[in-house]
Amino acid sequence: DQQVKQNSPSLSVQEGRISILNCDYTNSMFDYFLWYKKYPAEGPTFLISISSIKDKNEDGRFTVFLNKSAKHLSLHIVPSQPGDSAVYFCAASEENTGNQFYFGTGTSLTVIP
Amino acid sequence: SQTIHQWPATLVQPVGSPLSLECTVEGTSNPNLYWYRQAAGRGLQLLFYSVGIGQISSEVPQNLSASRPQDRQFILSSKKLLLSDSGFYLCAWSGGTNQETQYFGPGTRLLVL
Repeated sequence: DQQVKQNSPSLSVQEGRISILNCDYTNSMFDYFLWYKKYPAEGPTFLISISSIKDKNEDGRFTVFLNKSAKHLSLHIVPSQPGDSAVYFCAASEENTGNQFYFGTGTSLTVIP
Repeated sequence: SQTIHQWPATLVQPVGSPLSLECTVEGTSNPNLYWYRQAAGRGLQLLFYSVGIGQISSEVPQNLSASRPQDRQFILSSKKLLLSDSGFYLCAWSGGTNQETQYFGPGTRLLVL
């Protein structure tokens, strides 16, 4: 049972434009969400996170939005750069569960120069 | 600073052979440790996690096992590999000043033939 879903397996965006990656979850007990970026044959690297007490968190070109009522979060990258081309995973966890993270299936982003 | 190591980077094994993948963390003590698998076209699946020496929790029934003989060492094993065990195996840790984020190792690509 996939508790975290990324319904778009791939996304192509022109350089300089906005990239929007979406993620949905089913467990209302999740209260911490993260985005990871992964290049081929490498481990994922942490990108940005948000806790359920906030609805937005921004770090440079990356902004994560959380809509708890819709159980939806999104990652915005503005402006998109070719180096952003990678697979992006969203992850969710529930407090006091030993940091068990549930990952989505990933979205492969291609930024076209 | 903290670093996480995994080896080997790549492994090709015949069906029915044993497996031992090793993960070590440096620069922190008493980390939570995790084993994930990324199979082709799928997200990151949590296999095992450990909150201390000798403490292992299994998320998914399978023919794999994990052990934590030392505080910063996590081993993934199998007595007899199956074709379906092929995938990209990632070790991760969390702890220290930021308990909410997991940091991943470089991964091991396993191909079972």
